[in-house]
Amino acid sequence: AQKVTQAQTEISVVEKEDVTLDCVYETRDTTYYLFWYKQPPSGELVFLIRRNSFDEQNEISGRYSWNFQKSTSSFNFTITASQVVDSAVYFCALSEWRLTGGGNKLTFGTGTQLKVEL
Amino acid sequence: DTGVSQDPRHKITKRGQNVTFRCDPISEHNRLYWYRQTLGQGPEFLTYFQNEAQLEKSRLLSDRFSAERPKGSFSTLEIQRTEQGDSAMYLCASSLDTSGGRTEAFFGQGTRLTVV
Repeated sequence: AQKVTQAQTEISVVEKEDVTLDCVYETRDTTYYLFWYKQPPSGELVFLIRRNSFDEQNEISGRYSWNFQKSTSSFNFTITASQVVDSAVYFCALSEWRLTGGGNKLTFGTGTQLKVEL
Repeated sequence: DTGVSQDPRHKITKRGQNVTFRCDPISEHNRLYWYRQTLGQGPEFLTYFQNEAQLEKSRLLSDRFSAERPKGSFSTLEIQRTEQGDSAMYLCASSLDTSGGRTEAFFGQGTRLTVV
């Protein structure tokens, strides 16, 4: 069975601080995808990143960066110089990977509420 | 707008009534998913379609729930004899899955159901 744990329920920071959101996952699959989604108050889940289990390179996109460590089953997300607009719930998710057929269903963590204040 | 759209955005219903939600995926996407999200939790998978075929259903999807995607385009999710425990956000997502690769899932804004 797949499981995603986001131990941080809520984080509050002051604008311009850096913040790291933790994600730990469990899976029996040797190949899988990891994701981060952002859910602002409007409710729509916004895709941020997808990483497959073959690729352990860290990734940076603007103020966002992701640290994937297969050895510790973690896929952490860092926002540098946070802004008020970053306030949202952030979900880490895991899906299986198959060459053919299969689904793309996501197993989500419980989310981390990030509040960025002035 | 070329994103995933869901209708209605909000629905309040009395216990025991039937409700139906609609999802219009991104037009070229062949996969469509339904998820349910309760307060303070992450979305939970309910079911998914590959074109018009429903390929997997979660154990969360009781007999009162039925989903269809008749022409491989839009989908409907019906809940019969609603219960207060059905109150949740129902999210639809779509993705493109071909032999050449798979896109990530794009989500709609959801339908918030309140059963009173």
